[in-house]
Amino acid sequence: GESVGLHLPTLSVQEGDNSIINCAYSNSASDYFIWYKQESGKGPQFIIDIRSNMDKRQGQRVTVLLNKTVKHLSLQIAATQPGDSAVYFCAENIFTGNQFYFGTGTSLTVIP
Amino acid sequence: DTGVSQDPRHKITKRGQNVTFRCDPISEHNRLYWYRQTLGQGPEFLTYFQNEAQLEKSRLLSDRFSAERPKGSFSTLEIQRTEQGDSAMYLCASSSSGSTDTQYFGPGTRLTVL
Repeated sequence: GESVGLHLPTLSVQEGDNSIINCAYSNSASDYFIWYKQESGKGPQFIIDIRSNMDKRQGQRVTVLLNKTVKHLSLQIAATQPGDSAVYFCAENIFTGNQFYFGTGTSLTVIP
Repeated sequence: DTGVSQDPRHKITKRGQNVTFRCDPISEHNRLYWYRQTLGQGPEFLTYFQNEAQLEKSRLLSDRFSAERPKGSFSTLEIQRTEQGDSAMYLCASSSSGSTDTQYFGPGTRLTVL
């Protein structure tokens, strides 16, 4: 079946450095993507989203890049802080449907 | 805090027992979703409601599982004759029908079946 996958299951960065988390998707019909952050024992928290008619979207300290040619999504976190330590999931949605498909997640650890 | 709430946060039960979880969505959201998440995995879609109508069900939702949203507000998820394989985090999310349908998640209910 079609799936969302992440290139790196774990990522460790020094506090203050930039982080890049990658995600590959295989459903070419997916047209809406969300990055979620999940801390231990909590539900996923919305970070940023992007539609397929965009290549880049910026939020506060976060940027999402979408490359539809290679079906690749990335989340960039600027000046990573200890509070950014969590598991990050990308989720894809075909706009006409209501299900989001999640990847397995990348665990980000920020080293003080 | 007017986010999605779930109750209970933790449930420990013996195999064969029935359990029921509750989800209260964000008040103005008419869509409600249930997901299941096992350790180290992303959430997996179970079912979806628009108002009180259950519009989609995953093949993961066996006949031991039933979900309701009788008044189009809160929802319940019941698991009958629980099995050890049902142990997971059960997440609820809500959204409003519109151009983005961004789903906002609750804190989840952690189920442990002994």
